Amino acid sequence: GQNIDQPTEMTATEGAIVQINCTYQTSGFNGLFWYQQHAGEAPTFLSYNVLDGLEEKGRFSSFLSRSKGYSYLLLKELQMKDSASYLCAVSDSNYQLIWGAGTKLIIKP
Amino acid sequence: NAGVMQNPRHLVRRRGQEARLRCSPMKGHSHVYWYRQLPEEGLKFMVYLQKENIIDESGMPKERFSAEFPKEGPSILRIQQVVRGDSAAYFCASSPLSESKETQYFGPGTRLLVL
Repeated sequence: GQNIDQPTEMTATEGAIVQINCTYQTSGFNGLFWYQQHAGEAPTFLSYNVLDGLEEKGRFSSFLSRSKGYSYLLLKELQMKDSASYLCAVSDSNYQLIWGAGTKLIIKP
Repeated sequence: NAGVMQNPRHLVRRRGQEARLRCSPMKGHSHVYWYRQLPEEGLKFMVYLQKENIIDESGMPKERFSAEFPKEGPSILRIQQVVRGDSAAYFCASSPLSESKETQYFGPGTRLLVL
């Protein structure tokens, strides 16, 4: 079967760094996406990785290891507005997105 | 360039009624995806459509649910004889191409409440 695993909830402090992990087992791989979803709102695109390595975009970075079926999203200099759910999704061999349940990130002052 | 539009944003129905959810994709996008999300849960894929074609409906319940994306007009997700378990947020996403890395862009969602 196809499976995406990520922690249910994480807590971090304003100004700190947090790493949200995602492991996957899918039939085929055509890239991994990270989305941010604030409560009651639609998911918004953060990053896309298809090759191994780290992609940096401002305070957010995303890493991929295809051999390990593993990715992480790294958030630096945390701000209160970063409190949200972070969704990991993998594009499988049919280019269909398989979604994780999301990681709820709580930022404390 | 307007984003993905969905309406209504909130919909209240009594058990047994019909719910119609509409989605207008971003300009230039010809692929539409519908997802359902229960509170505190992840997105569940329902159906993937192109204009006038259902490409993949593997995530959609066999009964009471149907979807279309006509040549003209928005995509419609229709739920007949709604039950309380249908209460959820329904998100529509669109992309310009399917067999590529194209990102899916989401609408604001329709929150369906069945009384």
